[in-house]
Amino acid sequence: ETGVTQSPTHLIKTRGQQVTLRCSSQSGHNTVSWYQQALGQGPQFIFQYYREEENGRGNFPPRFSGLQFPNYSSELNVNALELDDSALYLCASSLAAGVLRNEQFFGPGTRLTVL
Amino acid sequence: DQQVKQNSPSLSVQEGRISILNCDYTNSMFDYFLWYKKYPAEGPTFLISISSIKDKNEDGRFTVFLNKSAKHLSLHIVPSQPGDSAVYFCAASAGETSGSRLTFGEGTQLTVNP
Repeated sequence: ETGVTQSPTHLIKTRGQQVTLRCSSQSGHNTVSWYQQALGQGPQFIFQYYREEENGRGNFPPRFSGLQFPNYSSELNVNALELDDSALYLCASSLAAGVLRNEQFFGPGTRLTVL
Repeated sequence: DQQVKQNSPSLSVQEGRISILNCDYTNSMFDYFLWYKKYPAEGPTFLISISSIKDKNEDGRFTVFLNKSAKHLSLHIVPSQPGDSAVYFCAASAGETSGSRLTFGEGTQLTVNP
């Protein structure tokens, strides 16, 4: 059983650019959530995808968007990057919705630096 | 609006002693609580969880206590080991079903000294 993987590990972009981060969920999981962890803070929920549909969104602007693919892997896209977008971006996968368990398995994260 | 708060940024304990990490929440809709541990350069790892219908859950050296009236939970680690040194996050969700969004606290850096 493979765990959650994310790519790339690190990324440096400049203000105004666009970025795409990728996540492969754990085998058997069809729900993917994305979180942003700024330095010294806890992870903050961005959005969640369940069976290729957005299934909840946190307090993030529309320039943060996502996709989930038929194999349940996922992308996070951020347009018009701002300095404050510099953070660790975490992807978490979980068992199918409706299962009475809320354990989310996290990937190692992508460290994004915006200059 | 910080709905989950961990007021202690850091905690230092001696090996073999008890570590107690605290967490407070404000949202009455939260009914499922989790603790995650995070090492540098790794994602958070699930440790233990508790439903609001319980006041205690134990797993080996880790015990989580929930006081619903005080909106407070704590994680006890006994005995503490140097390998427990990590950042611990408290998280909460409204709903036990898988996939509910998690609201995290700011984390507490635990250092266990040999």
